[in-house]
Amino acid sequence: NAGVTQTPKFRVLKTGQSMTLLCAQDMNHEYMYWYRQDPGMGLRLIHYSVGEGTTAKGEVPDGYNVSRLKKQNFLLGLESAAPSQTSVYFCASSGRDTFYSGANVLTFGAGSRLTVL
Amino acid sequence: DQQVKQNSPSLSVQEGRISILNCDYTNSMFDYFLWYKKYPAEGPTFLISISSIKDKNEDGRFTVFLNKSAKHLSLHIVPSQPGDSAVYFCAASFTSGTYKYIFGTGTRLKVLA
Repeated sequence: NAGVTQTPKFRVLKTGQSMTLLCAQDMNHEYMYWYRQDPGMGLRLIHYSVGEGTTAKGEVPDGYNVSRLKKQNFLLGLESAAPSQTSVYFCASSGRDTFYSGANVLTFGAGSRLTVL
Repeated sequence: DQQVKQNSPSLSVQEGRISILNCDYTNSMFDYFLWYKKYPAEGPTFLISISSIKDKNEDGRFTVFLNKSAKHLSLHIVPSQPGDSAVYFCAASFTSGTYKYIFGTGTRLKVLA
């Protein structure tokens, strides 16, 4: 049971290049999320999805696009990378059965470290 | 504006003693609060949660306290162990069906052997 898998783990881009981060979960979870972690900023929500074919903006969506064509996959795209997008990106998922004392619990991937030069 | 704040970026505690991590929030409509632990080069993992209708939840060495009037929660770890050294994030959510979480900035705990 792999849980949440993110690829790639590391990537270096030049300003203006594009790339896609892939998140795959094998837990049949309905909800998927993309966060970025920056020093002193904690985890900030970029985009999320409440089901296949649906996406919505989070706290910091600018410069990113997402797609959820299949329930198990959530893709995060950078069309024209900027140095401000240098960060560690975390994907997370949760489902209707992932509750602890009433709280819906997120399962995170190991992260993807992106550097934009 | 930062709806969830962890004002202490770091904390050092001696092994066997109590660790207290604090978190403040501004929105009284949050329904649930969770704590996550993160080791370097790994994703955050769930630790413990509390509903806004409770003031305490305990799980082994970990206890979370919620003071709604002060909009403050704290995580107590007793006794602290070197393996507890990690970054701890508090998170708050609205149960609006999207289960979005707002995370704090994290507190790095170091437990000294």
